[in-house]
Amino acid sequence: GQQLNQSPQSMFIQEGEDVSMNCTSSSIFNTWLWYKQDPGEGPVLLIALYKAGELTSNGRLTAQFGITRKDSFLNISASIPSDVGIYFCAGQASRAGGTSYGKLTFGQGTILTVHP
Amino acid sequence: GAVVSQHPSWVICKSGTSVKIECRSLDFQATTMFWYRQFPKQSLMLMATSNEGSKATYEQGVEKDKFLINHASLTLSTLTVTSAHPEDSSFYICSARDFDSSNQPQHFGDGTRLSIL
Repeated sequence: GQQLNQSPQSMFIQEGEDVSMNCTSSSIFNTWLWYKQDPGEGPVLLIALYKAGELTSNGRLTAQFGITRKDSFLNISASIPSDVGIYFCAGQASRAGGTSYGKLTFGQGTILTVHP
Repeated sequence: GAVVSQHPSWVICKSGTSVKIECRSLDFQATTMFWYRQFPKQSLMLMATSNEGSKATYEQGVEKDKFLINHASLTLSTLTVTSAHPEDSSFYICSARDFDSSNQPQHFGDGTRLSIL
């Protein structure tokens, strides 16, 4: 099925560094979501974006919904060891999509490793 | 709020048996639930959309007779993997979206690790 282009695929950083990852798509999405997944668990929602150009923060996390509605980025500031995990972006189809409404298309994921 | 419970968390069974996985929305109603499959080090791939009171909508390439979905109430959807074989071994994850919303994000269960011997 269709996937978003998420980069980078993996990152190895030192504790305290900032992190940035992004997703691009050839399709327009109504909503962009960022999830974090720990091993053996389901994804946990970090940030939801609903309007083009929207910039939203959640603690040390900041995400933006691209103006073209085809991209989004997630920044993590001052990383800590518990930030380790896989981060996924997801685009949600628009209402006009009919039967595709509400379906999520996921990026390939960014594996984040934080060294103490 | 928005808690999704998935059960069981881990299943090991012999080839040829059928396995049922439950997905429950604990504190909200969900007319729509989604079932995903995830292989190691890969992203989530949507298998089917489960609609309360009607037939599920399957993604291309997913066998509906192999993966039976039942969504009998606003808080419960089940996925049954029929006559499971080793290639069906995977991490299955469900998600649910609040009934009364057009823009609420999906919330995910903790997944079910299925291992077929």
